[in-house]
Amino acid sequence: GESVGLHLPTLSVQEGDNSIINCAYSNSASDYFIWYKQESGKGPQFIIDIRSNMDKRQGQRVTVLLNKTVKHLSLQIAATQPGDSAVYFCAEIAGANSKLTFGKGITLSVRP
Amino acid sequence: EPEVTQTPSHQVTQMGQEVILRCVPISNHLYFYWYRQILGQKVEFLVSFYNNEISEKSEIFDDQFSVERPDGSNFTLKIRSTKLEDSAMYFCASQGLAGNEQFFGPGTRLTVL
Repeated sequence: GESVGLHLPTLSVQEGDNSIINCAYSNSASDYFIWYKQESGKGPQFIIDIRSNMDKRQGQRVTVLLNKTVKHLSLQIAATQPGDSAVYFCAEIAGANSKLTFGKGITLSVRP
Repeated sequence: EPEVTQTPSHQVTQMGQEVILRCVPISNHLYFYWYRQILGQKVEFLVSFYNNEISEKSEIFDDQFSVERPDGSNFTLKIRSTKLEDSAMYFCASQGLAGNEQFFGPGTRLTVL
């Protein structure tokens, strides 16, 4: 069936290092991908998105890479800070204004 | 900055009781969604709503669930007869015309005893 999944359940990084969170998806019809951050007790918060016709998009300290050949999505966080500690979800959309299909979350833990 | 709000933050109910979860989407948004997240699991889509009708619903959204936009601001999710397995965080989200970003509320934690 269609699914979006994450390779690793947890990731621990040293403050100041770069973080890379990976995600695999299986719905080739998805045309839009998003990374969300969820802090404890809060709803998912949009981080960055990318359309299927792009392979890279940069934001402030974050970069999303999309490899449609292998159906792989990654989130890179530069100079990881304690405030980046959270659960990160990748999600996909197939069609405008459609539902989000979330992958399993990965916990990012930043060591001081 | 405008945000989605949800009430209550925590709802405890007995199995078989009806609950109504309330959401106030961002004021100029037109697309509305409910998602749920069972503890420790991924966020799951329940239903989407546009132009006063359901656009799409998941298998989870059975006859026990209903949504309503009773006025110009509120968007509600009703569960008619709650089951133990309905215990979860319920998130409302809204989206404007521009872009595909869905803005999420803080969630309502539903506990069914």
